[in-house]
Amino acid sequence: SQQGEEDPQALSIQEGENATMNCSYKTSINNLQWYRQNSGRGLVHLILIRSNEREKHSGRLRVTLDTSKKSSSLLITASRAADTASYFCATVLTSGTYKYIFGTGTRLKVLA
Amino acid sequence: AAGVIQSPRHLIKEKRETATLKCYPIPRHDTVYWYQQGPGQDPQFLISFYEKMQSDKGSIPDRFSAQQFSDYHSELNMSSLELGDSALYFCASSPMDRGYRNTIYFGEGSWLTVV
Repeated sequence: SQQGEEDPQALSIQEGENATMNCSYKTSINNLQWYRQNSGRGLVHLILIRSNEREKHSGRLRVTLDTSKKSSSLLITASRAADTASYFCATVLTSGTYKYIFGTGTRLKVLA
Repeated sequence: AAGVIQSPRHLIKEKRETATLKCYPIPRHDTVYWYQQGPGQDPQFLISFYEKMQSDKGSIPDRFSAQQFSDYHSELNMSSLELGDSALYFCASSPMDRGYRNTIYFGEGSWLTVV
């Protein structure tokens, strides 16, 4: 990946458990976005966090951003089988660019 | 709410043929992006347009070209297709006010299979 690296690359949990995915990046960013992708489908936007924000919530999702460590995490609480998907982070640099770079993604499997 | 529309959804071409993918962004979105995603891979940025002008270029082969038209729709033209071009091609758009600061919304993608 050019910019973002995610870990773990694959995660398997039981329904009801929490899932945490991490994303690291290399250069200063303007914002970071998390996406979900079901197999062979489009990328669904989950949440955007700006470089001056540290934490955001949306329903069962919690995203944190640590610009000093150049990393972000996505927490899904009380996971459901329907959360099974690949999760990607995408970053855009602080310079005037229109190029979002995706990380390698985490494949989450939630077992019923 | 209107979403990003891509066509065709599926396309099968032979090697050395040409393919054209179309993208209709969400109304009032002025920035369009194209991404390529191979099987099991992360999306790779190809090219973007802001107000009908190319704004950024990524790993787009010279055999590919793209443009954004006056109605903001965009087309990705791929010539001399190779087997390795088989992938899911995404178009995305983001709203006005400096697109790079805003959420980008993706279409469902166009599956290209080169045989």
